[in-house]
Amino acid sequence: QKEVEQNSGPLSVPEGAIASLNCTYSDRGSQSFFWYRQYSGKSPELIMSIYSNGDKEDGRFTAQLNKASQYVSLLIRDSQPSDSATYLCAVRFNNNDMRFGAGTRLTVKP
Amino acid sequence: DAEITQSPRHKITETGRQVTLACHQTWNHNNMFWYRQDLGHGLRLIHYSYGVHDTNKGEVSDGYSVSRSNTEDLPLTLESAASSQTSVYFCASSRESVGETQYFGPGTRLLVL
Repeated sequence: QKEVEQNSGPLSVPEGAIASLNCTYSDRGSQSFFWYRQYSGKSPELIMSIYSNGDKEDGRFTAQLNKASQYVSLLIRDSQPSDSATYLCAVRFNNNDMRFGAGTRLTVKP
Repeated sequence: DAEITQSPRHKITETGRQVTLACHQTWNHNNMFWYRQDLGHGLRLIHYSYGVHDTNKGEVSDGYSVSRSNTEDLPLTLESAASSQTSVYFCASSRESVGETQYFGPGTRLLVL
């Protein structure tokens, strides 16, 4: 069973805080991992991709990957109200099948 | 600018009717995908294509079909619409390389009565 699990939230953080979003996946052989942001009523847009163990930083966003634990996370520093959205974790499994988690809804309160 | 478009953006149809949703991309991407998004399920892959005349079934392909006659278009057909197919449908495309980053269209909201 190929699965991608996320805490559905909602996750609420105050403006300026760090938001931490987590994702686990079932296929140990997976190689490609993605975080998408989706505003209400809009289509998903890519924030980060990560392929190697460790951290990858892009502005206020940091993706963290731990393949041994089958765990990928997204940290958002200095959270802004404009970061309020649903964040989707996506994993490309070994057979090229792309699976998405159900998403975590984040609310950043001013 | 290159883009990916979907039409119609909203559709109401009746149970049993055939419905076709259009997807058109101008990036010249080889890979194209159709997803449906429902509350509590996230995005689920319906069908995908890695090139002209190539089609593959995804996680939830029953009741849907696609055909790829050119690089730009991947229409999704619901053979006989069912109420369970009420959903938001997203088309996406990606290049062969760059780790399969997918770019999504604006979505089509389909209501089957």
